[in-house]
Amino acid sequence: QDQLVESGGGVVQPGRSLRLSCAASGFTFRSYAMHWVRQAPGKGLEWVALVSYDGSKNFHAHSVRGRFTISRDNSKNTLHLQMNSLRPEDTAVYYCARERGHYGLDVWGQGTTVIVSS
Amino acid sequence: DIEMTQSPSSLSASVGDRVTITCRASQDIRRELGWYQQKPGKAPQRLIYSASTLHSGVPSRFSGSGSGTEFTLTISSLQPEDLATYYCLQHYRDPWTFGQGTKVEIK
Repeated sequence: QDQLVESGGGVVQPGRSLRLSCAASGFTFRSYAMHWVRQAPGKGLEWVALVSYDGSKNFHAHSVRGRFTISRDNSKNTLHLQMNSLRPEDTAVYYCARERGHYGLDVWGQGTTVIVSS
Repeated sequence: DIEMTQSPSSLSASVGDRVTITCRASQDIRRELGWYQQKPGKAPQRLIYSASTLHSGVPSRFSGSGSGTEFTLTISSLQPEDLATYYCLQHYRDPWTFGQGTKVEIK
């Protein structure tokens, strides 16, 4: 069964850093582009970042560009999101998701919660 | 960036009703659009991809249509388990962008 499991969330002070991870299993991780999507409390879904299947291309939303970096380790079937200079508005549940090209995001993790607060 | 305008933001309907949700793109996205369902406290799940193709296992009461800039998600006969928020997502151009969401409630 294709599965994604996020980890690394927690409570962090503004300005600090946090690294999220997403462990993939049940499928050939290195064959798929991967994404991060977040959802602030009581708000809608916000697309955050994508990385190509081999890690050669990435793209970040304007709201996180220059602070967050998406990356992957295909040898460990793991996706990462390095989050620096965190702000209170980054408080959200962060989901990783698998891309199926023209078919969108077909597998999602259960999410990990990040709270940025002093 | 491509802006996705989704309407309505919420609706309340009775079991058995036909429900329609609309998503409008700020530019032509061909059929590069999906619909996602998020039940309370759960992760989103894909319902429809390529504007009109049902994800495996999704009940046939769900359907999608449209291309270019206008897209529609229809639930032909609303069921209690359809209580959820529905989002459109364009993937024609980076950055990908979601609609604001439509919260569907059961009367």
